[in-house]
Amino acid sequence: EDKVVQSPLSLVVHEGDTVTLNCSYEVTNFRSLLWYKQEKKAPTFLFMLTSSGIEKKSGRLSSILDKKELFSILNITATQTGDSAIYLCAVASPGGYQKVTFGTGTKLQVIP
Amino acid sequence: GAVVSQHPSWVICKSGTSVKIECRSLDFQATTMFWYRQFPKQSLMLMATSNEGSKATYEQGVEKDKFLINHASLTLSTLTVTSAHPEDSSFYICSARDHLATDTQYFGPGTRLTVL
Repeated sequence: EDKVVQSPLSLVVHEGDTVTLNCSYEVTNFRSLLWYKQEKKAPTFLFMLTSSGIEKKSGRLSSILDKKELFSILNITATQTGDSAIYLCAVASPGGYQKVTFGTGTKLQVIP
Repeated sequence: GAVVSQHPSWVICKSGTSVKIECRSLDFQATTMFWYRQFPKQSLMLMATSNEGSKATYEQGVEKDKFLINHASLTLSTLTVTSAHPEDSSFYICSARDHLATDTQYFGPGTRLTVL
């Protein structure tokens, strides 16, 4: 059974801190890894990673994938209260319906 | 960016009635749409995958007669919760995959269903 595990489950930091969120996976067939941010409603897309060692960056957020060790990290630098959310990691597998398996999420709370 | 809408945003219904939730891709064609359910403080649970013009594929443990899915066009999928019961109360989220893109799914805003 495909599995995606995120850690930590929950995290509280002060504004300005840097955080690293972890995602490890075990899937039969890997195609890509995706990061989403979920605030009050549905998740919003952050990154899609397919190749090892290539960092994707968007503002203060960055992510990298290690396909050998089967994990990815999401970094957020100079955190702001607006970064408070649940961060979801998902792995897409090839196939007729391109199945996507989600992790349980990491709840990040940034306090002033 | 790609936009997915859901309607309604929020619905309250009586036990035993049926509720239809619509999911639309507004600026792209979605050959594949996904329906998720999310309980408080939990991650998304995939219920079913629907492909335009064919029957939906349901995940293990999801009753296909209870959660009817129709994907009649490249921009619209519907989820009908039949004979709803209080335990069906949940947050239902759809996502759509652009047929020109790879694995990225774009999520709708979700529908909060409360069954009394």
